[in-house]
Amino acid sequence: EAEVAQSPRYKITEKSQAVAFWCDPISGHATLYWYRQILGQGPELLVQFQDESVVDDSQLPKDRFSAERLKGVDSTLKIQPAELGDSAMYLCASSLGQTGVDEQFFGPGTRLTVL
Amino acid sequence: KQEVTQIPAALSVPEGENLVLNCSFTDSAIYNLQWFRQDPGKGLTSLLLIQSSQREQTSGRLNASLDKSSGRSTLYIAASQPGDSATYLCAVDSWGKLQFGAGTQVVVTP
Repeated sequence: EAEVAQSPRYKITEKSQAVAFWCDPISGHATLYWYRQILGQGPELLVQFQDESVVDDSQLPKDRFSAERLKGVDSTLKIQPAELGDSAMYLCASSLGQTGVDEQFFGPGTRLTVL
Repeated sequence: KQEVTQIPAALSVPEGENLVLNCSFTDSAIYNLQWFRQDPGKGLTSLLLIQSSQREQTSGRLNASLDKSSGRSTLYIAASQPGDSATYLCAVDSWGKLQFGAGTQVVVTP
């Protein structure tokens, strides 16, 4: 069964360091999402891609976060510099096409701890 | 702004009992509603997706209903098992964006 892949699964870093997360969506899925989930809360959308284009990055802290999906397939989310408040689960999801119609499928997530 | 609420935040039931999980949302202009399961420290597993034109959706022991006019969805899990222990989240797709509730943590005791 096709799955969304993410790496690393766990990341521990010190504040002010740079971190990067990778996501490989289900093959053929045009839409890719990055979410952040703080413990005890539901995920919040950080950025949404349609193919290689950013559709929504209104909640992405652009002073320190960046995301790219250069060839419209896999994607990288970067944080530089990391802050203590960035400790959270970072989830990647993909869907076949547009939101509002298609089911989103989630990867296993990357647990980030900033010391 | 769409707000999604799940009550209760936590629920404990004995094995065999039916589970009823509630989700409410403030804006009825939605495209669909999705229920997810999340095990501790893991990603989200999609359980059911209900399109805005549908009233309910069923998969095995799971049944989800949707009442857009009242802004409510209910997830029913029949004959609960210890393996059903997890956090269940609902998410509403409105204006092209998924808005999640905080989830209901379920414990099914043997």
